[in-house]
Amino acid sequence: DADVTQTPRNRITKTGKRIMLECSQTKGHDRMYWYRQDPGLGLRLIYYSFDVKDINKGEISDGYSVSRQAQAKFSLSLESAIPNQTALYFCATSGLGTETYEQYFGPGTRLTVT
Amino acid sequence: AQSVTQPDIHITVSEGASLELRCNYSYGATPYLFWYVQSPGQGLQLLLKYFSGDTLVQGIKGFEAEFKRSQSSFNLRKPSVHWSDAAEYFCAVGVYNTDKLIFGTGTRLQVFP
Repeated sequence: DADVTQTPRNRITKTGKRIMLECSQTKGHDRMYWYRQDPGLGLRLIYYSFDVKDINKGEISDGYSVSRQAQAKFSLSLESAIPNQTALYFCATSGLGTETYEQYFGPGTRLTVT
Repeated sequence: AQSVTQPDIHITVSEGASLELRCNYSYGATPYLFWYVQSPGQGLQLLLKYFSGDTLVQGIKGFEAEFKRSQSSFNLRKPSVHWSDAAEYFCAVGVYNTDKLIFGTGTRLQVFP
């Protein structure tokens, strides 16, 4: 079984709808991340959580919110989706110290907002 | 500000040929440097890492990278490319005081038989 899973894998939604992307991990890591990938822009950090009670904004958090329900679960919500949020979204986890940079990624969720 | 530049958006090589993917970084201190690979339809996987010490680092799948401080570079190399190496490759720098990664924009590698 995969260490980091994301659901759904693909989603098409309409402008203005609320959508939640879910991430679960079995790595036992405290640290979890949400990134979005856009062609030509690489990966950009949306939110990150260093433990269940520690949630931080990344470089592009506007329009997004997150919830860390447990050590193993980290969800990303789009409260009112807009077309420029169409992207590939990745969840990742990591350990502590220098292991924080050795991140384990889920397979991604491809989100299309029409 | 910290940044990572991958000047080549797309590279095409023949199977069996050598490969070098370029990465330049901007960082005020000794950087932590990484290469990740994203195979089609999959998430990113760590290929190799540099924290300190020997400037030539070995990774998985036969890849290596060399840290050159004078050139602010961390280029990825492989002596003989296989068709399964076709993927997108991301260079990243670890920002010490924030514990975050900054990714480059990626280089897509295409391998012809």
